[in-house]
Amino acid sequence: KAGVTQTPRYLIKTRGQQVTLSCSPISGHRSVSWYQQTPGQGLQFLFEYFSETQRNKGNFPGRFSGRQFSNSRSEMNVSTLELGDSALYLCASSLPHSLAGGLYEQYFGPGTRLTVT
Amino acid sequence: AQSVTQLDSHVSVSEGTPVLLRCNYSSSYSPSLFWYVQHPNKGLQLLLKYTSAATLVKGINGFEAEFKKSETSFHLTKPSAHMSDAAEYFCVVGHGYGGATNKLIFGTGTLLAVQP
Repeated sequence: KAGVTQTPRYLIKTRGQQVTLSCSPISGHRSVSWYQQTPGQGLQFLFEYFSETQRNKGNFPGRFSGRQFSNSRSEMNVSTLELGDSALYLCASSLPHSLAGGLYEQYFGPGTRLTVT
Repeated sequence: AQSVTQLDSHVSVSEGTPVLLRCNYSSSYSPSLFWYVQHPNKGLQLLLKYTSAATLVKGINGFEAEFKKSETSFHLTKPSAHMSDAAEYFCVVGHGYGGATNKLIFGTGTLLAVQP
């Protein structure tokens, strides 16, 4: 079974620009989550989508947005880029429902390394 | 609220010696706990997970973790370190319960160095 794929793998943008990152989940996984990883803040939850609906959102400004398509593929968009948005953006996919209250494991893609100059 | 604390930011061991990476958690209900590993410039790989089925959880590559409710701990161990184990390890707690969300809360990570 193919893993989670993310495109592009590397991206260099200038302050003020916007960027769109893409994530294709494992086949059959309908929950997709996004995380930002930086040396200073570590791994932080951005948002989660399930059946094209945002199910949960982290503490990030409105410049960060996302969506999910009917085939479960997801995109995230960052508008008006700032230097501090430079990070590794990770996408994870999972089965959508918990089992007896517990969570299914989530599988991560290789990430998109975004550099803002 | 859920949280995890990784007690060591760096751990260094010699090849062939045991590995212990410590993690304490806080949760208002029975937690889902995970350990992930990240090798340099790579994504996150799931090592193992705990979801109340058994307190001793075996994972990939010889790693295991024991859930201790009385100590609110979920330490990761391996009997004999290999050079390829050098990486950063994250203890993770699931935020959701009952299918409400798959949000994960990550610890700050432990960088494991393995000396020859």
